Amino acid sequence: DAGITQSPRHKVTETGTPVTLRCHQTENHRYMYWYRQDPGHGLRLIHYSYGVKDTDKGEVSDGYSVSRSKTEDFLLTLESATSSQTSVYFCATKTSGGGDTGELFFGEGSRLTVL
Amino acid sequence: GEDVEQSLFLSVREGDSSVINCTYTDSSSTYLYWYKQEPGAGLQLLTYIFSNMDMKQDQRLTVLLNKKDKHLSLRIADTQTGDSAIYFCAPWGAGGYNKLIFGAGTRLAVHP
Repeated sequence: DAGITQSPRHKVTETGTPVTLRCHQTENHRYMYWYRQDPGHGLRLIHYSYGVKDTDKGEVSDGYSVSRSKTEDFLLTLESATSSQTSVYFCATKTSGGGDTGELFFGEGSRLTVL
Repeated sequence: GEDVEQSLFLSVREGDSSVINCTYTDSSSTYLYWYKQEPGAGLQLLTYIFSNMDMKQDQRLTVLLNKKDKHLSLRIADTQTGDSAIYFCAPWGAGGYNKLIFGAGTRLAVHP
């Protein structure tokens, strides 16, 4: 268990409001990821980070931004939430260097509903 | 970009074998993973195979890799109700180094 905590775990919001999801890890893993999970689509990568202040886009990055000011925290922001962003969001981490087998460690997920 | 395909549902009787299939497009994948997601939880690594292997066995799990056809399969012997979950195929290296791209997931339902 890589000690990954997501907050909030559940959130209901209205269209047009900003939302920030937080991912906190205690394992000092270099890489951090945000995925969304939707029926029929599996997990799709939104953004990922390969170090403090180093981020890159994934498959479905439109409408999302991220920030990583500390190794342990990776924030996902929806500047103006839309109903199409209703989903379950998962954070994941990965180590680097000699111990890296490519395994991702996942948080428990954050369920977001946009009305 | 990389495409990873899986069938969405599989239903098996308790005690039978389950076979979950996956096809992918990127032949440069170095590791190929199977993740398991139980209800209400995040994903956990179930097993993986190196691209230079054809088969890997781990207790009730058997992973087969056909690199020529870019086909990966997961066989679960003596399937139990506790195996009911969603199983994701994920070739590493497919989305670019350090980006793991997942298939849509196969929901396995085990019935008595």
